[in-house]
Amino acid sequence: LAKTTQPISMDSYEGQEVNITCSHNNIATNDYITWYQQFPSQGPRFIIQGYKTKVTNEVASLFIPADRKSSTLSLPRVSLSDTAVYYCLVGRSYNTDKLIFGTGTRLQVFP
Amino acid sequence: NAGVTQTPKFQVLKTGQSMTLQCAQDMNHNSMYWYRQDPGMGLRLIYYSASEGTTDKGEVPNGYNVSRLNKREFSLRLESAAPSQTSVYFCASMGGRGDTQYFGPGTRLTVL
Repeated sequence: LAKTTQPISMDSYEGQEVNITCSHNNIATNDYITWYQQFPSQGPRFIIQGYKTKVTNEVASLFIPADRKSSTLSLPRVSLSDTAVYYCLVGRSYNTDKLIFGTGTRLQVFP
Repeated sequence: NAGVTQTPKFQVLKTGQSMTLQCAQDMNHNSMYWYRQDPGMGLRLIYYSASEGTTDKGEVPNGYNVSRLNKREFSLRLESAAPSQTSVYFCASMGGRGDTQYFGPGTRLTVL
């Protein structure tokens, strides 16, 4: 199972772009990369998922280099409400449903 | 469409007591999961079930048992609760390959 490594915490200010990088050196060929957001006292919520190159939705962008050993979640113009913990999850290969979360990155957005 | 529901929302137990946490999903998902989250920490996988009738251990299965009662329901049982099991327990479900996990609101368990 691919182990993920993320920064423990990051600080930003409102209106800035935030990039959170996740390392997953042992990613398997069939693994997807998924990012979740978690607010205090709530369950994680899906943000974005990708397999390679770039994926963009209304909330974020996900950049995955060709070797897929890392990925970067990009949050454009963050607001105070983006203060949360962000988890990178690698898995969904075809022979297992075992999904293990990493430690997550605690993002604090200041006014 | 309620998504993933968990009961109870809160529970206080004494050491040695037993209880079952209930989880149900109405999205016709095949896979279901139980995670625990200790204060200020990340999620740790306890058990998961890839399909009805199958269950597998996660990272921290000791002290827990699970039952995949049917496709909708996946329960977590603590046979003899210990203070170290004080945590927030999240249930999640997932559809098929390439799908994402959907989480319930959590059960906050305190063991005295």
